[in-house]
Amino acid sequence: RKEVEQDPGPFNVPEGATVAFNCTYSNSASQSFFWYRQDCRKEPKLLMSVYSSGNEDGRFTAQLNRASQYISLLIRDSKLSDSATYLCVVNRGYSTLTFGKGTMLLVSP
Amino acid sequence: EPEVTQTPSHQVTQMGQEVILRCVPISNHLYFYWYRQILGQKVEFLVSFYNNEISEKSEIFDDQFSVERPDGSNFTLKIRSTKLEDSAMYFCASSLDRVDYGYTFGSGTRLTVV
Repeated sequence: RKEVEQDPGPFNVPEGATVAFNCTYSNSASQSFFWYRQDCRKEPKLLMSVYSSGNEDGRFTAQLNRASQYISLLIRDSKLSDSATYLCVVNRGYSTLTFGKGTMLLVSP
Repeated sequence: EPEVTQTPSHQVTQMGQEVILRCVPISNHLYFYWYRQILGQKVEFLVSFYNNEISEKSEIFDDQFSVERPDGSNFTLKIRSTKLEDSAMYFCASSLDRVDYGYTFGSGTRLTVV
């Protein structure tokens, strides 16, 4: 099983749609979970941390299920500017992160 | 907003040559990292650095690689004898406190080995 596995994508959605990304991780000792966003040939940028109780930031909602080692990201009311690759990221050790390969989102007018 | 600065943005080098990639982390951050991303693949951890020494490194970070913090601001990655497969985007990152709050990444150096 891969350390961090994501939907392969790409997801093509119209503006205004709701889209969900799924992610599973293999290391049950992981304690920190994140969603990053990466635009084409740019650096990853932290979108949000993911907490056990679930958390929301505007149109973005993240959920964590430790029992099933599953993380999700929901984007509501998609904008053209949301087009990017979404990276599921989990801590691997004391200070390191393991990245999923990412799921590309394309939002069309 | 504070940022991590990397130079150069693009470097082309011949196989077998040494390269040094430079980074200026955010000034009050304590943890420094190098990651790389081969085109079309996932971001991979190389090395983390804290308190002037390597704290963790991956299997990719072999004897060809070294890191240094030569002064109070710069953080460098040296590749001694580059191979074609070292061609990738190299990202520097820094964080205030371990991994708990995520990192800030620099904009990367695209290394092309020919």
